[in-house]
Amino acid sequence: GNSVTQMEGPVTLSEEAFLTINCTYTATGYPSLFWYVQYPGEGLQLLLKATKADDKGSNKGFEATYRKETTSFHLEKGSVQVSDSAVYFCALSDRIQGAQKLVFGQGTRLTINP
Amino acid sequence: DAEITQSPRHKITETGRQVTLACHQTWNHNNMFWYRQDLGHGLRLIHYSYGVQDTNKGEVSDGYSVSRSNTEDLPLTLESAASSQTSVYFCASSEQSYNEQFFGPGTRLTVL
Repeated sequence: GNSVTQMEGPVTLSEEAFLTINCTYTATGYPSLFWYVQYPGEGLQLLLKATKADDKGSNKGFEATYRKETTSFHLEKGSVQVSDSAVYFCALSDRIQGAQKLVFGQGTRLTINP
Repeated sequence: DAEITQSPRHKITETGRQVTLACHQTWNHNNMFWYRQDLGHGLRLIHYSYGVQDTNKGEVSDGYSVSRSNTEDLPLTLESAASSQTSVYFCASSEQSYNEQFFGPGTRLTVL
């Protein structure tokens, strides 16, 4: 079945450092790919998405490119801030009879120190 | 503004009791989902619904049930709570043909 694998955390960086969180997937067909972010005590929020190969999703300084050849969707940010501290989830869509079921990675906890 | 709410936000119960977690959305979305979040597992799908009177099992549905009597609500029932069901539960919704899911704030359930 479809699956998502994220780099294991936790990840701790200093403010203004460069961030990469790796995500690879296994899927049949051509799923859409997502990054969700969960701030402490809150639900998940969509951070960015890409719906086809070579698409780049971007939001709030974060970027990820849908790489079909390497089945990857790595999350990057050039200069992180303390406010980026959160748990990040990579996910893919698994279409079932017209509805979209999301398959999530295990999550990566990111802590940014001032 | 449209939103998705869950109640209660925190619940402590005893083994064997029946528990119902509420989920209410005002997006008018057809699709609704229940997930549980556990360390090391990410989010795992419990049940989902495409619309009124429709319900389907996800990957971890044993011990849980849902019903969909209207568009706005998808309550999750634990028939006989077990300690293994201690978790954080998230409800989500999406439009029929649009693939972003919107999540509620979560319910932290502890089964003693």
